[in-house]
Amino acid sequence: GNSVTQMEGPVTLSEEAFLTINCTYTATGYPSLFWYVQYPGEGLQLLLKATKADDKGSNKGFEATYRKETTSFHLEKGSVQVSDSAVYFCALRLVWDEKLTFGTGTRLTIIP
Amino acid sequence: EPEVTQTPSHQVTQMGQEVILRCVPISNHLYFYWYRQILGQKVEFLVSFYNNEISEKSEIFDDQFSVERPDGSNFTLKIRSTKLEDSAMYFCASTGAGVSTDTQYFGPGTRLTVL
Repeated sequence: GNSVTQMEGPVTLSEEAFLTINCTYTATGYPSLFWYVQYPGEGLQLLLKATKADDKGSNKGFEATYRKETTSFHLEKGSVQVSDSAVYFCALRLVWDEKLTFGTGTRLTIIP
Repeated sequence: EPEVTQTPSHQVTQMGQEVILRCVPISNHLYFYWYRQILGQKVEFLVSFYNNEISEKSEIFDDQFSVERPDGSNFTLKIRSTKLEDSAMYFCASTGAGVSTDTQYFGPGTRLTVL
């Protein structure tokens, strides 16, 4: 079946540190890939997406590249801020499928 | 910016009671979804809805669950006889088109607590 595996959390970093949250996927086909973010007390918001191999999604300083050869979509940010503290979810959606399949989420805490 | 809204934000109910969770999707969207997240676990797909009928549902979405679009704006999830294990955050989502590249926009969620 289709699945998303995310880096176990929680992750705690100091402000201005470099961030990587690993995400790999298993899919029967060619999915679109997404990162969603959930800030405290809020719903899921789309952070970025990539729809085909080698595409790079980017938003708010975050980036992720769709790597078909390693079936990965790792999230990176060069310099994190306290306001980036949230739970980050990697997800996929197949071409013919209605639903998003999510990873377990990674809780990120940034310390000043 | 248009957004998906959900009410109530928190619902507490007794086991065996019926609950209705309400959602107002983005107004020009055509595809609607319910997901749930049990505390500490993955966000799981429940059901998708298009053109006034269910288009896909998961194993979780059994006979105790139903969805409805009673008017042009609301989209509801009904749980007929709640169980303790139904306690979760329930998210509604909508999208304008059914293609895989289209973004699903999520509401803030309803936290359901079954006692």
